[in-house]
Amino acid sequence: QKEVEQNSGPLSVPEGAIASLNCTYSDRVSQSFFWYRQYSGKSPELIMSIYSNGDKEDGRFTAQLNKASQYVSLLIRDSQPSDSATYLCAVNPIRLTFGTGTRLTIIP
Amino acid sequence: GAVVSQHPSRVICKSGTSVKIECRSLDFQATTMFWYRQFPKQSLMLMATSNEGSKATYEQGVEKDKFLINHASLTLSTLTVTSAHPEDSSFYICSVLDFGNTIYFGEGSWLTVV
Repeated sequence: QKEVEQNSGPLSVPEGAIASLNCTYSDRVSQSFFWYRQYSGKSPELIMSIYSNGDKEDGRFTAQLNKASQYVSLLIRDSQPSDSATYLCAVNPIRLTFGTGTRLTIIP
Repeated sequence: GAVVSQHPSRVICKSGTSVKIECRSLDFQATTMFWYRQFPKQSLMLMATSNEGSKATYEQGVEKDKFLINHASLTLSTLTVTSAHPEDSSFYICSVLDFGNTIYFGEGSWLTVV
């Protein structure tokens, strides 16, 4: 079992809709969770970090964490074409483990 | 968050030569930096953890004699690809671990070996 699993996509979402990205992880003692966005040919940039169960909102982005289910998700509201990118889920900072990423395409 | 700068952003070198990539933490003294490699359409692969003042810790399968890492100061880590071959052509990215235990990435360096 991979340490961090994501659906590779591609995920296509109409402009203005909600994009939902999901991630599961295997290490139950994981404490820190991150979502990064990576545009083609660029390095990843941090979007959200979450450490506690529940929701964390930042603008159009909401991260959701459920440690019991070992599940973390990212919701993007009012999706824009500029949100089209690969989204990487990452777990734990010391030896950051990335998922393979979900490629999101926002359709105008 | 931490500001991380990499140089060069793109480099082309001849097969058999060596190339050095620099990673600087501009606003934060980083005791720990990480080096990743990413092939097209693939995920990030951690190559090594760079610790200031000590030897780097390499991931399994990464040749330490081929990918030389030096972290001589709290603001600079370098990755030298020695005797480069075309299969070493890739996107190399460094990152910094800040006090908040968050990773911030440099802009990345595209290496093409011809």
